[in-house]
Amino acid sequence: AQSVAQPEDQVNVAEGNPLTVKCTYSVSGNPYLFWYVQYPNRGLQFLLKYITGDNLVKGSYGFEAEFNKSQTSFHLKKPSALVSDSALYFCAVRDSANTGNQFYFGTGTSLTVIP
Amino acid sequence: DAGVIQSPRHEVTEMGQEVTLRCKPISGHDYLFWYRQTMMRGLELLIYFNNNVPIDDSGMPEDRFSAKMPNASFSTLKIQPSEPRDSAVYFCASSHRTGKNTGELFFGEGSRLTVL
Repeated sequence: AQSVAQPEDQVNVAEGNPLTVKCTYSVSGNPYLFWYVQYPNRGLQFLLKYITGDNLVKGSYGFEAEFNKSQTSFHLKKPSALVSDSALYFCAVRDSANTGNQFYFGTGTSLTVIP
Repeated sequence: DAGVIQSPRHEVTEMGQEVTLRCKPISGHDYLFWYRQTMMRGLELLIYFNNNVPIDDSGMPEDRFSAKMPNASFSTLKIQPSEPRDSAVYFCASSHRTGKNTGELFFGEGSRLTVL
């Protein structure tokens, strides 16, 4: 069965420090992996995706994520956090073996960047 | 492009009333999804369409919920009769599927429903 786990409900980091938001996944085939960000009272916004190729993917607002097949992980990272990065972050996966178009979302991680 | 457009942004209604939420997907997108977000259950997929045809409605909670997509540019999610436990934010999202199945979702701003 396909699933996504975000083990941390809340992550706090000081402004200027590096941040990591964790995500692990389970799929039958090859994974298509996505990160989304949600600001208060807004919809989810696409940040980045991994489909194939280079394991390090760069996305919007200076975020990047590293695909690790052996650990089935796709952690979101940023070298230097900004207060404006404070938001809710969702990891999602699609299974390439699934002929449908079902996206599986994690439960979200609330990131707070402390000034 | 204007993005995915949802209306209304906020709806307050009384238990038993009919609620209709509307969505206009991004032009050219062939998939449309309806999600519900609550604190307790997070983000739940209710139903999705491909080329206006419902593909998977297993997430629709009860017969009180129904969704339609009469054409490529419009979809509705209807709740009749509404109940307080239906209070949530309802999101519509659309995507375009390429040959490699890589289309990411584009979300609307959501419709916040409060049923009293």
